[in-house]
Amino acid sequence: QVQLQESGPGLVKPSETLSLTCTVSGGSISSYYWSWIRQPPEKGLEWIGYIYYSGSTNYNPSLKSRVTISVDTSKNQLSLKLSSVTAADTAVYYCAREYYYDIDGYSKFDYWGQGTLVIVAS
Amino acid sequence: DIQMTQSPSSLSASVGDRITITCRASQSIGNYLNWYQQKPGKAPKLLIYVASNLQNGVPSRFSGSGSGADFTLTISSLQPEDFTTYYCQQSYNTPWTFGQGTKVEIK
Repeated sequence: QVQLQESGPGLVKPSETLSLTCTVSGGSISSYYWSWIRQPPEKGLEWIGYIYYSGSTNYNPSLKSRVTISVDTSKNQLSLKLSSVTAADTAVYYCAREYYYDIDGYSKFDYWGQGTLVIVAS
Repeated sequence: DIQMTQSPSSLSASVGDRITITCRASQSIGNYLNWYQQKPGKAPKLLIYVASNLQNGVPSRFSGSGSGADFTLTISSLQPEDFTTYYCQQSYNTPWTFGQGTKVEIK
């Protein structure tokens, strides 16, 4: 059973960089896409971006200038960095596996971490 | 970006009821549409993928239909554990986008 676990600081100061790690267990990080998704308190879901195990990335244009997603296949981990944070970046951050159907181009988020709340405040 | 609009935003129903939630995309997305269930304090859980395919382990009372820009999620007989929030998500074009959610409440 694939399991994902987010970790990182729960409190980040405005203008600083939010850094989170997602550790994948029960399966390999290889051959899959891995996404970060966030959810502000009492609001909906926003896709931040994904990384393929090979390192190729795709970011949401609304966050692209501030986001970096990386992968470490030796540790079965992916990471998220979001720079110049403001209170609007306060959210629960999820990592999720994106299962991609090569032939048809469909994808689905089939495994999710439990999420980690990051509060941006001084 | 493709905008996803769910209706209603909330609904009240009773155990045993049949309910339908609608999701409309701002453009045609074929059948690149997924549905998720989210319980309070938990991560979303995949229910339906590619508009009508039931994810492994999901009860058969859940079903999805639609193509193009209009989709529905149906729960044939509501169970107590189904009273929570549901989201649609398009996987046609990045950025992937979600509907705003539909909260199913007990009447």
